[in-house]
Amino acid sequence: GAVVSQHPSRVICKSGTSVKIECRSLDFQATTMFWYRQFPKKSLMLMATSNEGSKATYEQGVEKDKFLINHASLTLSTLTVTSAHPEDSSFYICSAPPGGGIAKNIQYFGAGTRLSVL
Amino acid sequence: GQQLNQSPQSMFIQEGEDVSMNCTSSSIFNTWLWYKQDPGEGPVLLIALYKAGELTSNGRLTAQFGITRKDSFLNISASIPSDVGIYFCAGQRSAGNTPLVFGKGTRLSVIA
Repeated sequence: GAVVSQHPSRVICKSGTSVKIECRSLDFQATTMFWYRQFPKKSLMLMATSNEGSKATYEQGVEKDKFLINHASLTLSTLTVTSAHPEDSSFYICSAPPGGGIAKNIQYFGAGTRLSVL
Repeated sequence: GQQLNQSPQSMFIQEGEDVSMNCTSSSIFNTWLWYKQDPGEGPVLLIALYKAGELTSNGRLTAQFGITRKDSFLNISASIPSDVGIYFCAGQRSAGNTPLVFGKGTRLSVIA
């Protein structure tokens, strides 16, 4: 299947710093990507929809100034957690639909980023 | 946001046993997807279902798209230790550039 690469896989940072997470579609172009947050033993919670060349769409309750999303190319979306605090510690996962034909409704996920804020 | 009703929440089974889990929804979906997530990893797509009534297999896994388009099940036959993980169902209402709706997951434990 199509490959979505997410980097870094794990990051530990001090409170108050900003952290950037990258999501790349390696063998397809993605005009849309999705960012999720997952708490321990819970399902994936959609944070925002990243749209290439336009503003991201954020879910209710997600602070767009806190979680900056940039989808500057058809293969890269970035999520920046600004001024991170311990409560931002979580597992962040991106996904992208490869599009085209019958596979248009499939979404492939990155391996996730474990963020720990000290 | 909306979530699908996925059951059971967890299962403890003996190696070699068959497993069945399902998802239901109050609304119609055009696509049903089943994912498996290992600890510390992202979900991996197992099976995708596109048509009502469709029955699809992937090795020991079999999934069906309910005829009403409001439900789906996943069966795992002859379970093995590496089947351990969390299984999520996901529904897609329209085009691929819209978010998936997820179930809460089924945590599978296999006892050797």
